[in-house]
Amino acid sequence: GEDVEQSLFLSVREGDSSVINCTYTDSSSTYLYWYKQEPGAGLQLLTYIFSNMDMKQDQRLTVLLNKKDKHLSLRIADTQTGDSAIYFCAERFTGGGNKLTFGTGTQLKVEL
Amino acid sequence: DTAVSQTPKYLVTQMGNDKSIKCEQNLGHDTMYWYKQDSKKFLKIMFSYNNKELIINETVPNRFSPKSPDKAHLNLHINSLELGDSAVYFCASSQGSTGSGNTIYFGEGSWLTVV
Repeated sequence: GEDVEQSLFLSVREGDSSVINCTYTDSSSTYLYWYKQEPGAGLQLLTYIFSNMDMKQDQRLTVLLNKKDKHLSLRIADTQTGDSAIYFCAERFTGGGNKLTFGTGTQLKVEL
Repeated sequence: DTAVSQTPKYLVTQMGNDKSIKCEQNLGHDTMYWYKQDSKKFLKIMFSYNNKELIINETVPNRFSPKSPDKAHLNLHINSLELGDSAVYFCASSQGSTGSGNTIYFGEGSWLTVV
């Protein structure tokens, strides 16, 4: 199957860490991505991780991949109001023509 | 310079009309895509072209016809528009259609409203 699931909403206070979770079902995925979509805007690639990695850090962003449990997470440190957006995880399959299958998206709301 | 650009950004049209959305990328990529985002924000691939050849067609109604005049352009033409076609359409591009390290870059989206 190609289901990618995310929780719909997450609310955090400014300065706290946010953790956005994603579960996927297809173990043949090669790369997993995180995209950010602000209201009325397009999709911004935040980061990605290759399936043979466990962790990737990029400034305030940390991606953790648990391939056994097919679980991906994105941690945003020191969350700011500008981080408020919808966050999508996506997986790409080998031989899939580079098709991305997106998760359902998590709406992150950062409160003062 | 915008890497993946789509026009128009907003389009309101009546049912039954035919409309086109254009997409151009200046990244030198050889693969381009169209994705659809519905009212619940769910994103799904529609088409993928590699070097002007169709490689993915995800059970999209044949009222939707992509056209790639060259590898930098992928246009989407929609015939006989229906209310259910209202969505945001995203164009995207990447270098290569298989293999490692391909990052897919998205355009800003085209908001289509059918009334």
